[in-house]
Amino acid sequence: KQEVTQIPAALSVPEGENLVLNCSFTDSAIYNLQWFRQDPGKGLTSLLLIQSSQREQTSGRLNASLDKSSGRSTLYIAASQPGDSATYLCAATNDYKLSFGAGTTVTVRA
Amino acid sequence: SAVISQKPSRDICQRGTSLTIQCQVDSQVTMMFWYRQQPGQSLTLIATANQGSEATYESGFVIDKFPISRPNLTFSTLTVSNMSPEDSSIYLCSVAHRRANTGELFFGEGSRLTVL
Repeated sequence: KQEVTQIPAALSVPEGENLVLNCSFTDSAIYNLQWFRQDPGKGLTSLLLIQSSQREQTSGRLNASLDKSSGRSTLYIAASQPGDSATYLCAATNDYKLSFGAGTTVTVRA
Repeated sequence: SAVISQKPSRDICQRGTSLTIQCQVDSQVTMMFWYRQQPGQSLTLIATANQGSEATYESGFVIDKFPISRPNLTFSTLTVSNMSPEDSSIYLCSVAHRRANTGELFFGEGSRLTVL
C-alpha cells in the first residue's frame, strides 16, 4: 500500500522568501505525482502534474521535482506572497488511485 | 481540464438521516471517484464510480453506507446513509480523462457535511 508523507506539517515565512515543501512515497511504481493546493473549506486545485518519466515540471513561480528512485518530490515556490497561504497536498498515483499526504499548511506573512 | 460542480456545497444534517451529493462534469470523463476528507485529515478514496455497474469500494467502505450511482459519463451521486457525527467531513468528487493519458485528476469544490 502506498504511503505518502509530507514534511513539514506547517510552515510560516515572511513574504518574498522561497518555499520548499517535501513529499516522500514508499512505492516507487507510481504513474505520476500531483501537487494540489487547498484553501480552507474548499476543494483541491491542481498545481502541477509530474509524469513518472519526468524529473520536473514548472508553472510560473512553482517548480516541482521528482526522484522516483528515492521516492521523493519537492515543490518549490519562489518569492512567496500572502496569497500563497494555503495547504499544499501531494498525491502519488497508482492505477488512477491517488494516495495523499497529510499536507503542509503554509502561512506567508505580509 | 474539467469543470466539476457538486451539490450541495454544504449541509447540516441530523443523526440517522441520509443525504445524496451530486457531481456534474462539463464533459464526458472515463473515471469518476469519490473521496472523503475528515476534519484535519487528508483525503481518503471511498470508491470508484463505474458507469452502468456497481461502484468499486476501497477497504473500510461499503455500499450500504455509501451507495453510489453513475448513470452516464458526466454525472454521479454519493449517498451518505444513516449518518452519525463521525460522518462529518468534506466529500469530494474527482474525475480523470483516461484518453488524455496523463492520469491527472481534477476535483470539485467539495460538499461539507456536518452531522449533529
